Amino acid sequence: GAGVSQSPRYKVAKRGQDVALRCDPISGHVSLFWYQQALGQGPEFLTYFQNEAQLDKSGLPSDRFFAERPEGSVSTLKIQRTQQEDSAVYLCASSNDRVNTEAFFGQGTRLTVV
Amino acid sequence: EDKVVQSPLSLVVHEGDTVTLNCSYEVTNFRSLLWYKQEKKAPTFLFMLTSSGIEKKSGRLSSILDKKELFSILNITATQTGDSAVYLCAVHKLYNFNKFYFGSGTKLNVKP
Repeated sequence: GAGVSQSPRYKVAKRGQDVALRCDPISGHVSLFWYQQALGQGPEFLTYFQNEAQLDKSGLPSDRFFAERPEGSVSTLKIQRTQQEDSAVYLCASSNDRVNTEAFFGQGTRLTVV
Repeated sequence: EDKVVQSPLSLVVHEGDTVTLNCSYEVTNFRSLLWYKQEKKAPTFLFMLTSSGIEKKSGRLSSILDKKELFSILNITATQTGDSAVYLCAVHKLYNFNKFYFGSGTKLNVKP
């Protein structure tokens, strides 16, 4: 596609509910990143995929967070048993495999846990 | 520990003013420094800097990198209300550690 697409744009979940956030990166982009952005803060790294391989998941805050990219394109970030502290904007970005490249961001999903 | 620090955290100016936003970093395996503008949710790319001392310009915006002192500045001249946004600085690590580390951003408010 023309840009990184994320869905849904907004999600309200009751505490304890599971949620799944989708990211459709720019076609052909090898790298895919998930970031969490709390209000008034910069994006915090969650995880990184190179094609279908999850090479870095060091930023995932707990084992309730799980991400996958099974065919090396679309990615899903799943949060199980959501907590109020999970409320944030979840940004997805993709980039190509050039050495010097920028990350292209989607519009994000605003998750509110009530 | 890798970190990116931006200052000031917020700034209020009037149209026509010139502003300078600062970004300092301590990141191993540095590859490049990037500036983004975030108005709603999606950060939009402004500049990528890889070499010291070479100014990048786009209209009223310009940026430069100092790899010895580990900082970058973003200048905006003749500010307009449409420049109001959060400006994010990010550092890209080398390919094997493919991450973009972001600062907390500078919130710029340009008043008419």
